[in-house]
Amino acid sequence: KQEVTQIPAALSVPEGENLVLNCSFTDSAIYNLQWFRQDPGKGLTSLLLIQSSQREQTSGRLNASLDKSSGRSTLYIAASQPGDSATYLCAGITSGTYKYIFGTGTRLKVLA
Amino acid sequence: GAVVSQHPSRVICKSGTSVKIECRSLDFQATTMFWYRQFPKQSLMLMATSNEGSKATYEQGVEKDKFLINHASLTLSTLTVTSAHPEDSSFYICSARDLGFTSVRTEAFFGQGTRLTVV
Repeated sequence: KQEVTQIPAALSVPEGENLVLNCSFTDSAIYNLQWFRQDPGKGLTSLLLIQSSQREQTSGRLNASLDKSSGRSTLYIAASQPGDSATYLCAGITSGTYKYIFGTGTRLKVLA
Repeated sequence: GAVVSQHPSRVICKSGTSVKIECRSLDFQATTMFWYRQFPKQSLMLMATSNEGSKATYEQGVEKDKFLINHASLTLSTLTVTSAHPEDSSFYICSARDLGFTSVRTEAFFGQGTRLTVV
C-alpha cells in the first residue's frame, strides 16, 4: 500500500523561527514530490515541486529537498510569519499514472 | 496559465438528490483528470482517474455507480454524486494534467474545490 506520512502532525511556533516539516514515503513508484499549502476551508496552493533528478527546490523563504533513496522530503520555512499558518501537505506523484498520493498533513500555527 | 476551474465552490443538497460538480481546464487540454475527496481534518484521497473518451478508473472502495464521472471533452470532467447522503458531505477537489506534458513533467493542476453538504 502506498503511504505518505508527515511529521509532526501539528506544530506551533513563535514568529521568526526557522522550521522543518518532514514527509516520508514508502513506495518506489513515487517519482516526484510536491508540497502544498491549504488554508482552512480552501483549496490547495502549490508551493514547490521537486523532480527526482533535482533533489532540491527553493522559492523565497521556502526550501524543499527530496531524497528518494531514503523516501524522505523536507520543507524548510525560514523566518516564519503568522501568515504562514496553514496546513502543509506533501504529495508523492507516481510515475506512469501521475496520481498524487497525499500525506497526512502538518497543521502549522505561527504565533505573533 | 494552467488554471483549473471547479464549479460550484459550495453546494447544499437534500438527501436523496444528485449533484454535479464540474472541473474545467481553462487554458490547456487535459486527457487525464483526477477527483479527490477530503473529509474534515483528513488528507486528500484519490477517488478516480478520469480519461477523456473512456471510462473512469475508480480507486478501491469508491462506488462507481454512486460517483459518476464523465470526461466528454479535453477540457471538462464532471463528477455526479447520485442519491447523496449526509456521509457524502465532503470537500471534493479535481486536478488536471496537461496533454502536452511529457512523462518527465508529472505535475497536475488543481481546482479550488467544492464543499458539498448533504442535509
